[in-house]
Amino acid sequence: DIQMTQSPSTLSASVGDRVTITCRASQSISPWLAWYQQRPGTAPKLLIYKASTLEDEVPSRFSGSGSGTEFTLTISSLQPDDFATYYCQQYDSFSSTFGQGTKVEVK
Amino acid sequence: ELQLLESGGGLVQPGGSLRLSCRTSGFTFTRYAVSWVRQAPGKGLEWVSGMSGSGGATYYADSVKGRFTISRDSPKNTLYLQMNSLRGEDTAIYYCAKIRGPTIVPLFDYWGQGTLVTVSS
Repeated sequence: DIQMTQSPSTLSASVGDRVTITCRASQSISPWLAWYQQRPGTAPKLLIYKASTLEDEVPSRFSGSGSGTEFTLTISSLQPDDFATYYCQQYDSFSSTFGQGTKVEVK
Repeated sequence: ELQLLESGGGLVQPGGSLRLSCRTSGFTFTRYAVSWVRQAPGKGLEWVSGMSGSGGATYYADSVKGRFTISRDSPKNTLYLQMNSLRGEDTAIYYCAKIRGPTIVPLFDYWGQGTLVTVSS
C-alpha cells in the first residue's frame, strides 16, 4: 500500500495567518492527490482534487500544489471556519489511503 | 438534493456480525460508485470497501477482506456492508461516500453522516 505522511500533526495559528500543510507519498502518485477538511462531529468535505483543482464552492483562499511524492495545501488567510483537521488522500489506486491528519487549532 | 444516510450501527461483541445500510438519493445510483470509509475514535480515515456503479466490481481493504461483504439493492438505491467476525479494531464511525464522477477512482465528493460501530464485550 502507498503510505501518506502529513506534517505537521498539529498547527497553531491565528485568523489571517497563511497556513501550509505538507503531504508526502511513499511513491509517486501524481496527480492523484486530494485534500479534505473535517470539522469535529461532521463528515469530511472534499476541498481539492488532482493536487490543485478546487472543488466547486470551495473558497479561493484554499490552494493545492505539488507533484510526484510531495504536495502542499495552503490557506492564504485563515478564517474562523477553517479551524479543523485536514487530510490528504492518494487515489492512484482503488486501495486508497489517507494521511494521518493535520489539526489546525487556535493559537 | 443529494443525500447518503447510513444506519445499522451499534454495539456488538467480538466475533459477532452487523449489517450497515446506506440509503442514497439525488443521483443515479447505478451510474456512480459508492464506498465505505471508516474512522476509529480520535483517529484518521481508512477506506474499507467499494462497489462500482454497475455493481460488477467490488473492492476491499486487506484489513477486512474475507470478513466484510459489500452489496446493494439497486431498486432501493441502497448500499450494504455485511460485517462478520468483528474485532475490537473494527470499532469506528462508518461513512458511506459517493465517488466523484462516473469512474471507480476513489475520490469522494459526498459523504453521509456516519454510523458508529462499537465492538466490545
